[in-house]
Amino acid sequence: GIQVEQSPPDLILQEGANSTLRCNFSDSVNNLQWFHQNPWGQLINLFYIPSGTKQNGRLSATTVATERYSLLYISSSQTTDSGVYFCAVEQGYSGAGSYQLTFGKGTKLSVIP
Amino acid sequence: SQTIHQWPATLVQPVGSPLSLECTVEGTSNPNLYWYRQAAGRGLQLLFYSVGIGQISSEVPQNLSASRPQDRQFILSSKKLLLSDSGFYLCAWTGGGAVDTQYFGPGTRLTVL
Repeated sequence: GIQVEQSPPDLILQEGANSTLRCNFSDSVNNLQWFHQNPWGQLINLFYIPSGTKQNGRLSATTVATERYSLLYISSSQTTDSGVYFCAVEQGYSGAGSYQLTFGKGTKLSVIP
Repeated sequence: SQTIHQWPATLVQPVGSPLSLECTVEGTSNPNLYWYRQAAGRGLQLLFYSVGIGQISSEVPQNLSASRPQDRQFILSSKKLLLSDSGFYLCAWTGGGAVDTQYFGPGTRLTVL
């Protein structure tokens, strides 16, 4: 199956700093999503971005499908940004519209005041 | 708006006991439904998905089973729990139409002793 690698595995930032999280995948995808899991376990969808660039407030994401990677940018980080960031992909079309995502292991971000 | 519920929030069960976790979605019809498990180490593993009532696909052979008795209800069960079943269980849904984002419930933390 498709492999999804995220880097770095852990990241510690001072509040106000910027960061870039990377997601590499081993094959072509038709679905790529970024999620944030807060310290209480809730997973929130940040972006649906199989290609191109999107921005939402201090967060933006870019996927270069031809080179099989995606980047998540966090600017002016806040303590509430702490948690684990996951990249998830779907390889091709799984059939019956099932949208089966394969998740990376995540990047654990800690933002300190 | 759509809402996804899971219960119980936490559960401590002895080895060999049965399990039933429930997930319900409100505000949508004919969703695709998913069960994931997140063990220590952060990765999410897809266990089951369903594209309709009574339609269950299993991704990982194990002592767990899933059922979808109603359009917006998804149940995860086991007849006899193992220590290795401990983890954080997450239910998710997508719209079931065109490729779409996944939305997660709050999760159930299961500890098997």
